[in-house]
Amino acid sequence: QVTLKESGPVLVKPTETLTLTCTVSGFSLTNARTGVSWVRQPPGKALEWLAHIFSNDEKSYSTSLKSRLTISKDTSKSQVVLNMTNMDPVDTGTYYCVRIQLWGAYKWFDPWGQGTLVTVSS
Amino acid sequence: DIQMTQSPSSLSASVGDRVTITCRASQSISSYLNWYQQKPGKAPELLIFAASSLQSAVPSRFSGSGSGTHFTLTISSLQPEDFATYYCQQTNSPVTFGQGTKVEIK
Repeated sequence: QVTLKESGPVLVKPTETLTLTCTVSGFSLTNARTGVSWVRQPPGKALEWLAHIFSNDEKSYSTSLKSRLTISKDTSKSQVVLNMTNMDPVDTGTYYCVRIQLWGAYKWFDPWGQGTLVTVSS
Repeated sequence: DIQMTQSPSSLSASVGDRVTITCRASQSISSYLNWYQQKPGKAPELLIFAASSLQSAVPSRFSGSGSGTHFTLTISSLQPEDFATYYCQQTNSPVTFGQGTKVEIK
């Protein structure tokens, strides 16, 4: 069974750096046909893609947030880490990690972690 | 970035109704389009990938179609458990989502 679980702080202060960890099970981060992505959702709003990383260490970032994001993986620990610098109250929301499945040039997100709610407030 | 526009933003429908949600891309994305369902307080779940392929275990009343810039998600006979918000997603880099369509009970 494939599962992903997010962990990290519930509350961060403005200007601080957020570090979120996604621990995966049921698949390997070395699998060439998979990757891991981070997606966030402000309360009551739409989904927003943040970043992803693949087995070959290829990374991609949201255009608007690229300067603030860093994604990395630790294959031995089955973990993917997202760092977001200079946090602001508008960054409050639920952060999801999700497995990316690849089929040729097609990719889709499944399954998703349960999400972790991050609040940015002083 | 490719912008995804869903319509309508919300709709009210009755059990048994046929429901169609549209997603338009700001430029051609071939068939690199997925659909997700999200229920309140829950993570999204994959319904359709590659525009028209039904994810395993998803009921056959869900179907997807389209290519290029115009896509649709159809629920052939709305069931009580289908009241949720639906998102389209294009997967050319960078990935982008539509703004969502909330399906409510009439």
